[in-house]
Amino acid sequence: NAGVMQNPRHLVRRRGQEARLRCSPMKGHSHVYWYRQLPEEGLKFMVYLQKENIIDESGMPKERFSAEFPKEGPSILRIQQVVRGDSAAYFCASSPAGGGSNQPQHFGDGTRLSIL
Amino acid sequence: AQSVSQHNHHVILSEAASLELGCNYSYGGTVNLFWYVQYPGQHLQLLLKYFSGDPLVKGIKGFEAEFIKSKFSFNLRKPSVQWSDTAEYFCAVNVDFGNEKLTFGTGTRLTIIP
Repeated sequence: NAGVMQNPRHLVRRRGQEARLRCSPMKGHSHVYWYRQLPEEGLKFMVYLQKENIIDESGMPKERFSAEFPKEGPSILRIQQVVRGDSAAYFCASSPAGGGSNQPQHFGDGTRLSIL
Repeated sequence: AQSVSQHNHHVILSEAASLELGCNYSYGGTVNLFWYVQYPGQHLQLLLKYFSGDPLVKGIKGFEAEFIKSKFSFNLRKPSVQWSDTAEYFCAVNVDFGNEKLTFGTGTRLTIIP
C-alpha cells in the first residue's frame, strides 16, 4: 500500500526560476496538506486542499506561491520566481475523505528545495 | 490562534535512560494532540495521538504520552530508550472544528549514546 509520494526528492533552482513540487496522496485519501520546514524550525502549515478546492490557504505567502489539487493527478505546489529564502523542505500529507479533524495525517518524504 | 511549545531543543541520553519530552499548547477549546517522529532522512511518522477518552495514550515502540488538560500539556515518555530512538520528535495540535491543519512545535532532537 503506497504511502504519500512526493517528487522530486531534491530540487535545485536558480533565483528567478520556477519550482514545481508534486504530491500524490495515499490511495483513498482526498485531503492534501502542504507544510514547509525551514532549517532548525518545525513544520509550518501552508495550505489544505481537497479535490479541485482550496480549503485553507492561510499559511501561504501572498505572492509567488500557489497550489492546486486537480480532479485527476497529483497535487502541485508551485513557486514562481524563487528566492534564496524559499530554500526549505516541503512536506505533503494526506488524510481520508470525510475524516474530520480526528484523522491523523500521513506524510511523504518531502522535497528539499535548494535555491542557488 | 493556537501554538505549540517544545522547550527541549536537544536532549542527549544514554541507552536505558528514561525519557520525557515536554509539549505545551495554547488554545482554550477542544484539541487533538499528536507526537510525530522523524528519523534521519525519513518522513514524519505518527507515534501516538490523543482525541478523547483516557488521557494516557500508548503509541508505537514503547512510547506513551499523557494529556493534562489543566496544564495544557502532552508530554512524551519512554521508560527505557534505545540507540534506535535517535531522531527528531515533533508535538502537534489540531483544533477540533473541522479545520484539519496541524500546528507543530519546533521539535526536539534526541540523541541516544550507546
